[in-house]
Amino acid sequence: AQSVTQLGSHVSVSEGALVLLRCNYSSSVPPYLFWYVQYPNQGLQLLLKYTSAATLVKGINGFEAEFKKSETSFHLTKPSAHMSDAAEYFCAVSVANQAGTALIFGKGTTLSVSS
Amino acid sequence: DSGVTQTPKHLITATGQRVTLRCSPRSGDLSVYWYQQSLDQGLQFLIQYYNGEERAKGNILERFSAQQFPDLHSELNLSSLELGDSALYFCASSVREYNEQFFGPGTRLTVL
Repeated sequence: AQSVTQLGSHVSVSEGALVLLRCNYSSSVPPYLFWYVQYPNQGLQLLLKYTSAATLVKGINGFEAEFKKSETSFHLTKPSAHMSDAAEYFCAVSVANQAGTALIFGKGTTLSVSS
Repeated sequence: DSGVTQTPKHLITATGQRVTLRCSPRSGDLSVYWYQQSLDQGLQFLIQYYNGEERAKGNILERFSAQQFPDLHSELNLSSLELGDSALYFCASSVREYNEQFFGPGTRLTVL
């Protein structure tokens, strides 16, 4: 069965600092991996996706993530945090098989950005 | 704006009642997914439809059911509601099964 673990339910950074949100996955077959962001009282917005084309994936708003098979990780980074990045971030895994293609989400990481 | 619409935005009802949540996928998307988000359970997959056919089931209670209509919109029916059913219910859609999913704004259900 597929699963996702997000390390750290809450991450705090200063404006301009590096953002690193950690995600480890478990999958018996090559996974599709996603990062979504959720702002208060809103739906989930896709930040980026990994579908085996390239290990370093660039997304929207300056975010990127690197797929490391040996570490079963897909950490999200942004070189310089902005106040508008404060939100909840979800890592998700999807595996295409006979059972459909549902997303399995991690528990989320709340990012706080201070000035 | 993801292009996925959900109605209503908020729903307040009483225990034992039945409600219907509606979702219109992005134009051209064939697959619709329903998710439940609650504080204790997080984001949980409920059910997936693809071009009108049920494709996969997740942690969906027997009191809950869904369908996808010929025009591809979907409805999630929740019956015999309990306090614990209070949550945000999201609909998502994708072009085909293996593409990224785009989420609607959600329906916040409050059961009193």
